[in-house]
Amino acid sequence: NAGVTQTPKFQVLKTGQSMTLQCAQDMNHEYMSWYRQDPGMGLRLIHYSVGAGITDQGEVPNGYNVSRSTTEDFPLRLLSAAPSQTSVYFCASSASQGARSTEAFFGQGTRLTVV
Amino acid sequence: KNQVEQSPQSLIILEGKNCTLQCNYTVSPFSNLRWYKQDTGRGPVSLTIMTFSENTKSNGRYTATLDADTKQSSLHITASQLSDSASYICVVSDWTNAGKSTFGDGTTLTVKP
Repeated sequence: NAGVTQTPKFQVLKTGQSMTLQCAQDMNHEYMSWYRQDPGMGLRLIHYSVGAGITDQGEVPNGYNVSRSTTEDFPLRLLSAAPSQTSVYFCASSASQGARSTEAFFGQGTRLTVV
Repeated sequence: KNQVEQSPQSLIILEGKNCTLQCNYTVSPFSNLRWYKQDTGRGPVSLTIMTFSENTKSNGRYTATLDADTKQSSLHITASQLSDSASYICVVSDWTNAGKSTFGDGTTLTVKP
């Protein structure tokens, strides 16, 4: 049981380039989310999805797009990379949120550097 | 605005000693509170999840307490080990189905031999 798988683990981009961070889960979880974690800081929510076909913005959505065409996959797209997007990105999934919230399972992270 | 504040920001203890980490929150309406452990370079891993009606929950050497009246939680680590060195994150969820959980900035614990 793989849990939450993120690819790639490391990536270096030039300013202005675009790329997609991949996230897949095999637990049939409805809720998936993307976070960024800057050095010495807590996790900040970028985008989240409560099910296939449904996405919404989190705390810091600018510069990122998401889609959720299947339950399993939740890719994060950087439209035009900027040095301010240098960070570690985590994908997470959980069976439910809100009133019936359960624990979230996190991927191992993608360390992105924009030069 | 929902907020979660953790203290101390960092802590250094000797192996074998106990310690307590604090979490204060203003999330409303409260649904549940979770503690995660994040090792350096890894994703967070769940330690405990507590709902409104639960006061204490244990997971091995980790014991979490919750006071919903004062909106405070603590994570007590007993007989610390070197492997306990990590960041400990407090996360609070509200009752709405949108479930935008609020994360604390974490407490960095260093256990020294």
